Amino acid sequence: GNSVTQMEGPVTLSEEAFLTINCTYTATGYPSLFWYVQYPGEGLQLLLKATKADDKGSNKGFEATYRKETTSFHLEKGSVQVSDSAVYFCALSERGSYIPTFGRGTSLIVHP
Amino acid sequence: DVKVTQSSRYLVKRTGEKVFLECVQDMDHENMFWYRQDPGLGLRLIYFSYDVKMKEKGDIPEGYSVSREKKERFSLILESASTNQTSMYLCASSFGDLGNTGELFFGEGSRLTVL
Repeated sequence: GNSVTQMEGPVTLSEEAFLTINCTYTATGYPSLFWYVQYPGEGLQLLLKATKADDKGSNKGFEATYRKETTSFHLEKGSVQVSDSAVYFCALSERGSYIPTFGRGTSLIVHP
Repeated sequence: DVKVTQSSRYLVKRTGEKVFLECVQDMDHENMFWYRQDPGLGLRLIYFSYDVKMKEKGDIPEGYSVSREKKERFSLILESASTNQTSMYLCASSFGDLGNTGELFFGEGSRLTVL
């Protein structure tokens, strides 16, 4: 079956540091890949997505590139802010599927 | 602005009580989901519905049931609440095939405490 593995957190950074959150996946087909973000006290919201190999998703300064050869979709940001403190979930969905597979989430804490 | 609304942000119930968690979406989505979120365990799917009156069990359906009488509303029912059902419950909705069209839209969550 499908699976998504994320690095365990919490990830603790100082403001303006570079962020990488690793995500690797196992899938039987050619999935679409997603990053969701959950700010404190809120539900999840889509941060970015990529639907095919070598696509780059980007939003709010975050980027992730769909790497089929390494089955990865790592999230990066060049300079984090305190307001980026949240839990980040990597997810995949196969073509024809209605149910996504989520990673366990990675908590990011950014200090001033 | 698209919206998924969960009726209660915080609930406190006693063991053995019947609990209803309500979720309404205004996007005319076919698919609706109930997840449970616990620290260290991420999101676990309880039930999924792809149409009115249709439902499928997710990964952890035991102790829960659902109702979808109207397209916009998906209810989660705990017939007899137990302390191990203390958790954050998240409702979500989506349109069509996620592999092609993408995202789930989530509500803000309902934090249930069972005493």
